[in-house]
Order: sequence, then structure tokens, then C-alpha cells
Amino acid sequence: GAVVSQHPSRVICKSGTSVKIECRSLDFQATTMFWYRQFPKQSLMLMATSNEGSKATYEQGVEKDKFLINHASLTLSTLTVTSAHPEDSSFYICSARFIQETQYFGPGTRLLVL
Amino acid sequence: AQTVTQSQPEMSVQEAETVTLSCTYDTSESDYYLFWYKQPPSRQMILVIRQEAYKQQNATENRFSVNFQKAAKSFSLKISDSQLGDAAMYFCAYTGANSKLTFGKGITLSVRP
Repeated sequence: GAVVSQHPSRVICKSGTSVKIECRSLDFQATTMFWYRQFPKQSLMLMATSNEGSKATYEQGVEKDKFLINHASLTLSTLTVTSAHPEDSSFYICSARFIQETQYFGPGTRLLVL
Repeated sequence: AQTVTQSQPEMSVQEAETVTLSCTYDTSESDYYLFWYKQPPSRQMILVIRQEAYKQQNATENRFSVNFQKAAKSFSLKISDSQLGDAAMYFCAYTGANSKLTFGKGITLSVRP
């Protein structure tokens, strides 16, 4: 149980285009999901908290107009990187909160912006 | 604010031996959870073990166990009978009232055959 999927697993796009990443909780409902960014050999950096049916809460320094988050259902949250630039290239990971405050993570998305 | 410290960046263990990964944290909250996550080369974050702060008994999951010292704010992970598949980056993490995870910097564990 507590499986989280993420799609796509990797994406290459041109500078200036937008990219959407989906995060799904497959066998449980998640009122709260989280989006992280991770650079190689580093820890996870929380970008935003996604709450079903309400606006996402962004961490300090994260541009909410660049990283659009939608949590339209209890099993799906999406992250859209708008007008992507090479500096947005990174590994993006989502998680969903399950029982006892435990977060289960998706497999991540490698984004490369050319 | 809560902090999680993993002071050792790397460790190595011989296959079949036991290794302990250290973690300390700082918080003023009384109710919280602590976790160890494993991140293998695939970069999938995998939950290894969870500890509720109100429980005195140390959590155990097969070959993985923790030494939770609440007063000392210490939360170490012991891996027994180490296997090649245990090679990964391990993150210690904390969550409290705001439900956000605070991660340590991680430790890279290598397993020698």
C-alpha cells in the first residue's frame, strides 16, 4: 500500500516552453501532497505544499507564478513549470501524506531544459 | 525552527556486518515523528523506518532498527547483516505540527562485498 506515481519520469524541453508533471496517490486518498526539488548529491528542498481544493502554499523564495500547482482531486496533484529555462533543470519529486504524518514519495521527474 | 543534523557525509560497511548511521535533531515540540528514508541510485525515496516521539520503544523493521534517545534528541539507524542492496543515500527526517518534513543532508552508505 501507499504507492505514489509520478509522470513523466523524464522530460526534455526547449527554453520558454511549459512542462506539466503529475503526481498520483494510487491506493489512498491524499488531502496533502508536497513538491520537492533535489540537486545531485544534495538533500530534498521543499518547494510547496499542495492541499486538495485550496491554493498551494509556497516556501520562501519559490516563485508561485513559475511553479503552478493544482490539487484538483484527492489523488492527483500537478506541478507546471511555466516558461522553463535551463536553470529550472533539476530532479522534481512529489510526496503524498498518509497516516501518522508519513510521506510516501513518487519516483521523481528529471527535467532538462535546453 | 526544527533542524536535523547528519554529520557524517559517507560511511562504508562490509557485507554481512552491522553499521550505525547517526542523526541528531533540534525541536521545541513535544509531539513529532522521525523517519529514515533511503534513496538508492534510482533516486526513488523509500521509507525505511518511522518513530513516534511519544513511544519509548525503539522502532524495528526486519534488519533495520533505531536508537531513539528523546532527551538527547538523537535518532540513529542500525542496519544489521548489511547487504549490497543497502548501498544508498540515507536521509534522517523530522515532522511536527506543520506536517512538513525537515531533512538532514544525508549520508552515502557503501557496502563492500
